[in-house]
Amino acid sequence: DAKTTQPTSMDCAEGRAANLPCNHSTISGNEYVYWYRQIHSQGPQYIIHGLKNNETNEMASLIITEDRKSSTLILPHATLRDTAVYYCIVRVRDAGGTSYGKLTFGQGTILTVHP
Amino acid sequence: DAGITQSPRHKVTETGTPVTLRCHQTENHRYMYWYRQDPGHGLRLIHYSYGVKDTDKGEVSDGYSVSRSKTEDFLLTLESATSSQTSVYFCAISESLLAGYYNEQFFGPGTRLTVL
Repeated sequence: DAKTTQPTSMDCAEGRAANLPCNHSTISGNEYVYWYRQIHSQGPQYIIHGLKNNETNEMASLIITEDRKSSTLILPHATLRDTAVYYCIVRVRDAGGTSYGKLTFGQGTILTVHP
Repeated sequence: DAGITQSPRHKVTETGTPVTLRCHQTENHRYMYWYRQDPGHGLRLIHYSYGVKDTDKGEVSDGYSVSRSKTEDFLLTLESATSSQTSVYFCAISESLLAGYYNEQFFGPGTRLTVL
């Protein structure tokens, strides 16, 4: 799986958009970008994933550059409850291989939302 | 929330004793995983299972064994616990769709293990 690079920490004001970047310059054509987050003391939580098109769900939006070498997770209206570690993970999604859906976590970005 | 429970949630044990952690799911998902999380290392995969009785090693498998005798249960055993195995352990599950793609992973609440 391709490696990812994320900033160690970021701050955001409550109610504003939080934009979390991720670089994955060695991503392969069959690898997807996944985002998870981990709120203190809890298990990680899936947020969103995408291949090359921008994606949006009830939690966030994912913007992937045209060359797919980087992406940005957008929390449109951050709240205090969004304070967490955010992980950007790149992995194949195809069940035909031997990856068995394994995830490789990096250090992630600590997002702090302040009042 | 996905039906995943871990037991025990907290455990304190002594060096050299065997410890078994249990992950139980009610989702009938095929794939199950055990991770450990330590400060400075993030989450690291210990072992995983891709079916009943089908398991394989992850990134940090030394000192751990696993068993999966039925779909819903995935056991992690520390044969002889050491202080370096003090950690928070997370179980996760996922499934693959008929189209052949892995779904996202759903994580349990974690087990905090302290080895004295």
